[in-house]
Amino acid sequence: GESVGLHLPTLSVQEGDNSIINCAYSNSASDYFIWYKQESGKGPQFIIDIRSNMDKRQGQRVTVLLNKTVKHLSLQIAATQPGDSAVYFCAENYGGGSNYKLTFGKGTLLTVNP
Amino acid sequence: DARVTQTPRHKVTEMGQEVTMRCQPILGHNTVFWYRQTMMQGLELLAYFRNRAPLDDSGMPKDRFSAEMPDATLATLKIQPSEPRDSAVYFCASGLAMTGVGRNEQFFGPGTRLTVL
Repeated sequence: GESVGLHLPTLSVQEGDNSIINCAYSNSASDYFIWYKQESGKGPQFIIDIRSNMDKRQGQRVTVLLNKTVKHLSLQIAATQPGDSAVYFCAENYGGGSNYKLTFGKGTLLTVNP
Repeated sequence: DARVTQTPRHKVTEMGQEVTMRCQPILGHNTVFWYRQTMMQGLELLAYFRNRAPLDDSGMPKDRFSAEMPDATLATLKIQPSEPRDSAVYFCASGLAMTGVGRNEQFFGPGTRLTVL
């Protein structure tokens, strides 16, 4: 029978190339964003975060860009390695203060070809 | 190396049976979250606690699911009775939420893969 499930966006890159993973978030009031990486059989792992008062933040080999005008978030991975192959999720938090919930996107599957 | 731990890692059970999943949050964290992940729905928040008090369980089917924190080192998620549609990976996450600070990093456990036959 036909398998029905999430049709994850996929991105396939060559080892050494730069990767850009995009995310459209839903709530214009969101003030905090996180990128998570989930490898097969494991829980999501924090990569990098950014607050809404910033438009760019850099980590080790990763950069997050935030465009609040169009509610868009991107994750750039430099010199992509096979170990970067995973599903990447963006997550947003809104309400600050006493709201500690994160709303996760559907994810993007990144495949790095050696 | 502080980590969130979850037990069991895998559980296979028959429809109608009770299932209990356990989570030990990172010591010192004051928020605990339960998520369910399926291919159909992705990652869904079921419930979360702050300082052991339930803050939001709107994502959880109330008739069969219950979540508790008997103490600061243990969170439980129970399903009674279980149904095949409950088959999923259940993740626990913990974090240190500070009032007035818009930072909410959550640390995830390895998950419990539940199969209900």
